[in-house]
Parts: sequence; structure tokens; C-alpha cells
Amino acid sequence: QSALAQPASVSGSPGQSITISCTGTSSDVGGYNYVSWYQQHPGKAPKLMIYDVSSRPSGVSSRFSGSKSGNTASLTISGLQAEDEADYYCSSFTSSITYVFGTGTKVTVL
Amino acid sequence: QLQLQESGPGLVKPSETLSLTCTVSGGSISSSTYHWGWIRQPPGKGLEWIGTIYYLGNTYYNPSLKSRLTISVDMSKNQFSLKVNSVTAADTSLYFCASYGGSFADYWGRGALVTVSS
Repeated sequence: QSALAQPASVSGSPGQSITISCTGTSSDVGGYNYVSWYQQHPGKAPKLMIYDVSSRPSGVSSRFSGSKSGNTASLTISGLQAEDEADYYCSSFTSSITYVFGTGTKVTVL
Repeated sequence: QLQLQESGPGLVKPSETLSLTCTVSGGSISSSTYHWGWIRQPPGKGLEWIGTIYYLGNTYYNPSLKSRLTISVDMSKNQFSLKVNSVTAADTSLYFCASYGGSFADYWGRGALVTVSS
């Protein structure tokens, strides 16, 4: 299984909105509403930010939102803050009853 | 709230077997609510899903690693474990254990760094 494709880096100024894409195939992203997103700060374990495409776990800011269209899922961070600077990974359930992660995106707050 | 903690040797010789254990607290590993997984991250690189074990014991593995993997559960100790056979330098990674409350990893351990070197 191939890693889901994400842009290597995305940047934005404080207060702006940014969107990170996550492109897979009909066997993973496009076939199931089981896309999740994780935030990882340096030296830390990943943290679940979005699950099942667009649901937010308790305690995660409403500035984070998810969506999907066809084989591409997206994570949008609105009102960008300095603390949002981190690596972000998408993940999807697959038709083989496995999971696959995205290549990862480094978010920089200018 | 679940808590997970990885443990195991930090250094493994090439061609030997990497063994890690994840101890779960705050919940029962035999619960049907969760399944349990392993994810790794080579230094400076991205996340790679390794495999998952469901409460009935069914296991699913990353196809690229499948021939070398075993994931198992010890309900008496509330632990699950990972074994990777015939390791090479490419297996040097930070290994995370995680719980899957659905199709997502909601609780993670802090990670255990395993270096493969002679």
C-alpha cells in the first residue's frame, strides 16, 4: 500500500486559514468515511485532531475541521495560531482492513 | 482515559528479533470497544502503520512488513506486544503503540526508540 499524498509544507500568518490535502485512492480515502488527522509536535506522540473525516474529539479546538471529496480529504485550520505549528498526518482505513498514513505536512506559522 | 506505555530493548542487533510490549491502563485490553495497534516513525521521517490486533485476536499487518511481524495480546497482563523478525538498520524507528476506538488511533504511548546496530 502506498502512503497517502500530502504537501510537504504549508505556511500561513497568524489568523489566516490554511488547508492541507490528503490524496489517496478509491481503496482507501475515496472508499470509506474513515479518514483521521493527527498533529505531532517535535518529540511528542501524535494527537488525534479529526476522525471519521469531519468529527472532532472532545477538547480539540473548533478551529480544526475536516472534509472529503472523492479520493481527497482535507484538514482546514482557521484562525492560525503559533501553537498550530507542527507536523500533520492523515490516515485512512483501507479495503484490505489495514490503515495507511499520509506522507506528512509541516505547518509553519509565519 | 486509557494510558499506554511501550517497553523493550532500545538496541537490537541486525538479523535478530525486535520485541516490544505495550502496557494498557485505565481500561481492559479484552474490551470489544477497542482494537490495538503499532505505528513506527524512523528518525526525521513520517509515520508508518505496522499492524493491528482486534479483540477476537484477528490481526492485520502492513503488507510490506507482514512476513516479519507478529502482534499478540496477553489479557492476563493487560498488554499487547510486537515482534519483528530479521531486523535491519531500516527498522530503526520510534515505535508507538495506540488504541483504536474506531477507525482512528485515539490514545498513544509516548514511543520507544529502537536502534538496530551491531
